[in-house]
Amino acid sequence: QSALTQPRSVSGSPGQSVAISCTGTSSDVGGSVFVSWYQHHPGKAPRLMIYDVSQRPSGVPDRFSGSKSGNTASLTISGLQAEDEADYYCCSYAGTYTHVVFGGGTKLTVL
Amino acid sequence: EVQLVESGGGLVQPGGSLRLSCAASGFTFSDHYMDWVRQAPGKGLEWVARSRNKVNSYTTQYAASVLGRFTISRDDSQNSLYLQMNSLKTEDTAVYYCARDHGGNWNYDYWGQGTLVTVSS
Repeated sequence: QSALTQPRSVSGSPGQSVAISCTGTSSDVGGSVFVSWYQHHPGKAPRLMIYDVSQRPSGVPDRFSGSKSGNTASLTISGLQAEDEADYYCCSYAGTYTHVVFGGGTKLTVL
Repeated sequence: EVQLVESGGGLVQPGGSLRLSCAASGFTFSDHYMDWVRQAPGKGLEWVARSRNKVNSYTTQYAASVLGRFTISRDDSQNSLYLQMNSLKTEDTAVYYCARDHGGNWNYDYWGQGTLVTVSS
């Protein structure tokens, strides 16, 4: 069982928006500014999409945005495109003992 | 172009050992913290270990699940990261990824494609 809870799957049609939630505790998501999101196409290297809760690395489309409220972080993808279909993982710093925790992953299907 | 290429995975019996390597290129390897992250079949990602840079005395950190069995190390002259895995258990079966930390804040801006480790008799 992963430390952070994500929905197993979400789906949307091209052009629509979807949000993926990531729920933790006050020891990780709720107490950290170091929350990140990764896109993973199976067999390929994961890709950083969001870091520090809401920052976008260069090269990531502005259709991807991140936010946090309390112990839950969210990744929102607007204007869905076929190439967005992938697995998405959240990640949070979790203190000096546990260090870092990941979510179990969410499979995004573009209908 | 930043590249991370893992190697050394394979099939090993429980109790055995394996050494993974990660060859880095396209950036100043010595400046960065480097981590190993794994993904067991059908499961999510799990952080394994960290190697800080020379400025931070190459200090290391480990997940509780591998502490005492795995050792992370690096050779900045070879732009390489390693993971020595001893006393392997079936639950260590996973794809192991090498990942570069973005600024020391537990955000990973580059990953390799991974190497599969299978622990089975």
